Amino acid sequence: EDQVTQSPEALRLQEGESSSLNCSYTVSGLRGLFWYRQDPGKGPEFLFTLYSAGEEKEKERLKATLTKKESFLHITAPKPEDSATYLCAVQARGTGANNLFFGTGTRLTVIP
Amino acid sequence: KAGVTQTPRYLIKTRGQQVTLSCSPISGHRSVSWYQQTPGQGLQFLFEYFSETQRNKGNFPGRFSGRQFSNSRSEMNVSTLELGDSALYLCASSLEAGAGETQYFGPGTRLLVL
Repeated sequence: EDQVTQSPEALRLQEGESSSLNCSYTVSGLRGLFWYRQDPGKGPEFLFTLYSAGEEKEKERLKATLTKKESFLHITAPKPEDSATYLCAVQARGTGANNLFFGTGTRLTVIP
Repeated sequence: KAGVTQTPRYLIKTRGQQVTLSCSPISGHRSVSWYQQTPGQGLQFLFEYFSETQRNKGNFPGRFSGRQFSNSRSEMNVSTLELGDSALYLCASSLEAGAGETQYFGPGTRLLVL
């Protein structure tokens, strides 16, 4: 069965304290792995798409990496505005054209 | 370019009623997917529409249905509402329905069933 596990569930960082969020997945053939950011009461905001092991993408203080079993979202020198829930989702070969299978997210709080 | 829009943003209904939610995708996007988000279950896929056809359906009862119009706008309907249907309903659009297409989400419709 396809599974996506995110850890930790919640993370508190001091401003400037770098860290990484983990997304472990078990799917029957990965078509794509997606990272989203979600602020309270809003829809998920797209961050990155990764397609194959070894791929990396960067955007400002965020960098996403992908291996055959997991993805990391590295946050370098975070600021309070980076506080949000970060969601990982996979699109698996056996689940149809486009639907995403989401993890439960990591709730990040960055303290000034 | 305008993002995905959803209406209404908030809705209060009572058990047994039905509700229709609307989604307008990003201009030029032809695929629309619907998700339900609850604190206990997280984000769960409901269904996907492309070219007015339902391509894929999640594991939800038949009370949940949807449709897509020729202009790619989509609606979802929930009949005979139950308390457990209270959730944030999210619509996402993508350019095509192929593998690896990035989905862009709307702000959601928050439904409260009393």
